[in-house]
Amino acid sequence: GAVVSQHPSWVICKSGTSVKIECRSLDFQATTMFWYRQFPKQSLMLMATSNEGSKATYEQGVEKDKFLINHASLTLSTLTVTSAHPEDSSFYICSARDLGRIRTNTEAFFGQGTRLTVV
Amino acid sequence: GQNIDQPTEMTATEGAIVQINCTYQTSGFNGLFWYQQHAGEAPTFLSYNVLDGLEEKGRFSSFLSRSKGYSYLLLKELQMKDSASYLCAVRGGTSGGKLIFGQGTELSVKP
Repeated sequence: GAVVSQHPSWVICKSGTSVKIECRSLDFQATTMFWYRQFPKQSLMLMATSNEGSKATYEQGVEKDKFLINHASLTLSTLTVTSAHPEDSSFYICSARDLGRIRTNTEAFFGQGTRLTVV
Repeated sequence: GQNIDQPTEMTATEGAIVQINCTYQTSGFNGLFWYQQHAGEAPTFLSYNVLDGLEEKGRFSSFLSRSKGYSYLLLKELQMKDSASYLCAVRGGTSGGKLIFGQGTELSVKP
């Protein structure tokens, strides 16, 4: 099946620094990728929709200047958490949409997630 | 607005059957998904419904009623490894195909 690789799996950073998370579709092209955030014992909250070659679409309440998204190719999207603070500590998950399987049950695949801890 | 509701937690016994309900109110509808998520891991796909009725896949079945904005996930012959969070997600009618998730149901399977 299709694979989405997310890197790193976990990261610890100091408050005030920036962290970049990568999401790659390994065996399919993804014009659209989604970034989610999940706090402990809560569900996935969609942060933004990343579109290849254009600006990301952010959900209400998500600061676009703090969570920078770049989708420069059909297989790679990156999320950069800028000037991270302890409250940004969370589980970040990406999902990629398979162009070849639009509107089917296997349309989107999830990365393995990134556990970010800001100290 | 968009709203997806499911129970926060459920407990069931090994070997039993459990039904996890999900109700939704969304802007448009292009399918409902159920995912299983173990702590610290990404969700894994369980089922997909876009038409009314029951979809069966091994020990797992999922039902959808679009007119009622209602779905359930049925797990049969429960095993200890089924202890996990079960997420209901709806793909809205707007372009982009983004999924909106419910808060998840934490299922505990006891011996």
